[in-house]
Amino acid sequence: GAVVSQHPSRVICKSGTSVKIECRSLDFQATTMFWYRQFPKQSLMLMATSNEGSKATYEQGVEKDKFLINHASLTLSTLTVTSAHPEDSSFYICSASIAAGGNYGYTFGSGTRLTVV
Amino acid sequence: AQTVTQSQPEMSVQEAETVTLSCTYDTSESDYYLFWYKQPPSRQMILVIRQEAYKQQNATENRFSVNFQKAAKSFSLKISDSQLGDAAMYFCAYRKSGANSKLTFGKGITLSVRP
Repeated sequence: GAVVSQHPSRVICKSGTSVKIECRSLDFQATTMFWYRQFPKQSLMLMATSNEGSKATYEQGVEKDKFLINHASLTLSTLTVTSAHPEDSSFYICSASIAAGGNYGYTFGSGTRLTVV
Repeated sequence: AQTVTQSQPEMSVQEAETVTLSCTYDTSESDYYLFWYKQPPSRQMILVIRQEAYKQQNATENRFSVNFQKAAKSFSLKISDSQLGDAAMYFCAYRKSGANSKLTFGKGITLSVRP
């Protein structure tokens, strides 16, 4: 089945530094990737939608200059948290939209736990 | 805008018993998809079951089945013969028809299974 590989699974960084999270589609072409943020015991909050070769569409309230999303190829999308602060500590998940036989579904990465110290 | 409501934050079920998780949604679309996702402690999102709105028949996947009431905009998940491995957060989700539409999630419910 369609697999999205997300790395790193855990990262600790210092305040003020930048962190890049990668999501790769291993056996399919991901034209659209969704990026979510999740706090403990809460739901997934959509941050942005990225389409290959075009600028990402950010949800209201999400700082596009802080959360840089790049989707330069059909198999790789990246989220860079710039000038990270402790309040950016969270669980980040990517998800690719997949279509087969007219049916649409999603495959999720395994998530990245970001801790900013 | 579409909304998905899961009003119960937590539920508990005895092993081998049956439990039903509730979900309601609001949409003006006529064609859409509904999903239940499981998120165990590993936090990997796992698709449990999906339902196409145009299908009247309720979806079933082994011990998991749904009660889809389109007019009432209700989409509940029934877990039969509950197992310890069913303990997780469960999210109800909606997407409208069309390529690359986004998922809208409910707040989720934490299900615990008592041995």
